Amino acid sequence: DAGVTQSPTHLIKTRGQHVTLRCSPISGHKSVSWYQQVLGQGPQFIFQYYEKEERGRGNFPDRFSARQFPNYSSELNVNALLLGDSALYLCASSFRDSFQNTEAFFGQGTRLTVV
Amino acid sequence: AQTVTQSQPEMSVQEAETVTLSCTYDTSESDYYLFWYKQPPSRQMILVIRQEAYKQQNATENRFSVNFQKAAKSFSLKISDSQLGDAAMYFCAYRSVYSNRKLIWGLGTSLAVNP
Repeated sequence: DAGVTQSPTHLIKTRGQHVTLRCSPISGHKSVSWYQQVLGQGPQFIFQYYEKEERGRGNFPDRFSARQFPNYSSELNVNALLLGDSALYLCASSFRDSFQNTEAFFGQGTRLTVV
Repeated sequence: AQTVTQSQPEMSVQEAETVTLSCTYDTSESDYYLFWYKQPPSRQMILVIRQEAYKQQNATENRFSVNFQKAAKSFSLKISDSQLGDAAMYFCAYRSVYSNRKLIWGLGTSLAVNP
């Protein structure tokens, strides 16, 4: 079985631009979460979606948005990019809503560099 | 709000030796989950071990074990018989079973394994 896949793996954007990051969860998994990991720090929670509905949102500005599609894949969108948005963006999938004790499986991330 | 603290930015261990990574957390909740994740240079977060707060018995997974001290809010990871492949960043993470769906992470500990 394929694991969590994220695309693209690397991305370079200019300040002010918009970016879309994509995530395909493990087959059968209905929950997708997004995290931002700035170099040298632990990941910070951005969003969680379950059954196409937003179930959790971290402390990020409205420039960050996401959605989940009927096939449970997800997109993370960031508008008006700032230099500080440069980070590794991680996607995690799990079978159920994270209330329950289910393991989250992570993709290899998308390395976003804003110049 | 919950916080996770890893006070050791870097650790090193000789191959075949044992090393312990420290993690403390702060929460007012009585039920939660604790995790240790490994992040190798490939960037993918890999679950090493999980502990449910209601379980008094410390979790073990092969060479990996934890020392969970609920009253002290301490959750250390012991790696026995260290191998070169254990070299990575190790993150301690917390997840509530109540209203939060997100993982809260420490800053990580970089583990080097010397041959």
